Amino acid sequence: NAGVTQTPKFQVLKTGQSMTLQCAQDMNHNSMYWYRQDPGMGLRLIYYSASEGTTDKGEVPNGYNVSRLNKREFSLRLESAAPSQTSVYFCASRDNAGTEAFFGQGTRLTVV
Amino acid sequence: AQTVTQSQPEMSVQEAETVTLSCTYDTSESDYYLFWYKQPPSRQMILVIRQEAYKQQNATENRFSVNFQKAAKSFSLKISDSQLGDAAMYFCAYRSINTGTASKLTFGTGTRLQVTL
Repeated sequence: NAGVTQTPKFQVLKTGQSMTLQCAQDMNHNSMYWYRQDPGMGLRLIYYSASEGTTDKGEVPNGYNVSRLNKREFSLRLESAAPSQTSVYFCASRDNAGTEAFFGQGTRLTVV
Repeated sequence: AQTVTQSQPEMSVQEAETVTLSCTYDTSESDYYLFWYKQPPSRQMILVIRQEAYKQQNATENRFSVNFQKAAKSFSLKISDSQLGDAAMYFCAYRSINTGTASKLTFGTGTRLQVTL
């Protein structure tokens, strides 16, 4: 059981480049989330999706877009990367009736 | 909006000793979940323990236990018989009990635990 899979695990971008972080879960969960982790700031919610076809902004959505392609996949796109987006990004999922959220292994993104 | 505060950026404990990590939170809700997550150097987020606010009994998982004080909005984690493998970043997190929408985890800033010989 793979759980939550994120790709890539590491990425270096130049300022202004675009990229998409991929996330897929095989647990048939309804809810999916994107967080970013920065030193001294914990994990902050970027966007989330309560179900296929719906997305909502979290605490720090500026500079990001998301797509809930189907129930399994929830992608995060940076249209024009900035150094302030250097961070570790986590995808998570949860069944709406469940308590626990399951996390992917994270993507370390560096924007130079 | 809910907030979670971890006031100890770093803690250190000797192997086999006991350590307590602090967490306070602010909410106007009466029903919610509280969690402690462990993040080792591998970056993986691992659920250590959870507490339902409507349960008065403190949760326990092997060497890990919590002291949940609902009125004080305090949720500390006690690690007994500390092991080298306990060295990690620990995050306290809050989630409202809301089955209608994708209720979100709100995290504290983390406490880095060092375990020494």
